[in-house]
Amino acid sequence: GESVGLHLPTLSVQEGDNSIINCAYSNSASDYFIWYKQESGKGPQFIIDIRSNMDKRQGQRVTVLLNKTVKHLSLQIAATQPGDSAVYFCAENSGGYQKVTFGTGTKLQVIP
Amino acid sequence: EPEVTQTPSHQVTQMGQEVILRCVPISNHLYFYWYRQILGQKVEFLVSFYNNEISEKSEIFDDQFSVERPDGSNFTLKIRSTKLEDSAMYFCASSGGPSYEQYFGPGTRLTVT
Repeated sequence: GESVGLHLPTLSVQEGDNSIINCAYSNSASDYFIWYKQESGKGPQFIIDIRSNMDKRQGQRVTVLLNKTVKHLSLQIAATQPGDSAVYFCAENSGGYQKVTFGTGTKLQVIP
Repeated sequence: EPEVTQTPSHQVTQMGQEVILRCVPISNHLYFYWYRQILGQKVEFLVSFYNNEISEKSEIFDDQFSVERPDGSNFTLKIRSTKLEDSAMYFCASSGGPSYEQYFGPGTRLTVT
């Protein structure tokens, strides 16, 4: 069955440092992976996505790495800022406009 | 930038009552979704909707739930007889652009007493 889970529930980083949030998945058929950011009282906000035929994708200050061999996904945030404090969810779907399956979330706390 | 909107932001209802949660998806999107998030837990899929019919639903989405697109802009989730365990944040999402990205609304907090 589908399963997307996170290794750490809480991550604290100093402002300016890089953050790495990890995620494991179990569904080999997953085709599309997404990272969402959820601030308190708000809905999930898309950060970056990656397709299963890629192993790295970069955005503005964020990089997603996909290791299909070990079914591992990570989100790297460069020069973490206080505004990055939120809960981060990895998610997946099997392609197209199908449902998104969310992981359990990692809370990122940025220490000023 | 276009966004998904939801009303109300907070709904308090008594157990057994019917509630309707409303969403206005992004105007050119064709795929609509409802998710829920119980406090402190992960976001869970409820239902997806395309071409005026349900395309997929989860086991949570039982006979007490229904969805409707009553006009060209609104997308609603109805819970016929609310239970205490229905208390959660309910998020509407829509997609349909060149990517598969789902855009989420700000959510409706449903409190069943």
